[in-house]
Amino acid sequence: AQKITQTQPGMFVQEKEAVTLDCTYDTSDQSYGLFWYKQPSSGEMIFLIYQGSYDEQNATEGRYSLNFQKARKSANLVISASQLGDSAMYFCAMREGPGSGSRLTFGEGTQLTVNP
Amino acid sequence: DTEVTQTPKHLVMGMTNKKSLKCEQHMGHRAMYWYKQKAKKPPELMFVYSYEKLSINESVPSRFSPECPNSSLLNLHLHALQPEDSALYLCASSSLGTSDSNEQFFGPGTRLTVL
Repeated sequence: AQKITQTQPGMFVQEKEAVTLDCTYDTSDQSYGLFWYKQPSSGEMIFLIYQGSYDEQNATEGRYSLNFQKARKSANLVISASQLGDSAMYFCAMREGPGSGSRLTFGEGTQLTVNP
Repeated sequence: DTEVTQTPKHLVMGMTNKKSLKCEQHMGHRAMYWYKQKAKKPPELMFVYSYEKLSINESVPSRFSPECPNSSLLNLHLHALQPEDSALYLCASSSLGTSDSNEQFFGPGTRLTVL
């Protein structure tokens, strides 16, 4: 069974600094996808970034990058130049298999607070 | 249009009521999902529809009844709920394919309170 572990219940960062949110996963599948979502207090889940298990390069989307270390089964999210609006809950998630229409397994989340 | 809409935003119902949650997307996605999320916890998958057919039911109690009338709409019919069913209900959609990320796009959710 697949499992996602986020070991940081809460993180604090100063505005304009970079922060890394940790995520490790466990799966026996060779093909899988890793996602990061942001959930502000309003409740909506916002897709941030995706990494496929066969992607050789780390994914980047603007200020977000994913530090993918396949051998260590980790997929950490790096947010550069933090902004006050980055304060939210962040979830790491995994989808097993190459397609969609299947379940996402979420980690417990990390609550990020950006201080001015 | 890259938006998933959900109505209502808030719902308060008694244990004997019947109500429905609605979800709509116009992105041409052929997979749609219902999740339940309790406070400070991750979303839990309830149902998955692929090509308008129920493909995953995560052993959800029968007081929750999903319906997919067409490729753009997803409903969740509620009947005889319990107070512990109070939660944020999230709808999501994604494309179906084997070569893309197929990320799930989520709606803003319906905050349900059962009295």
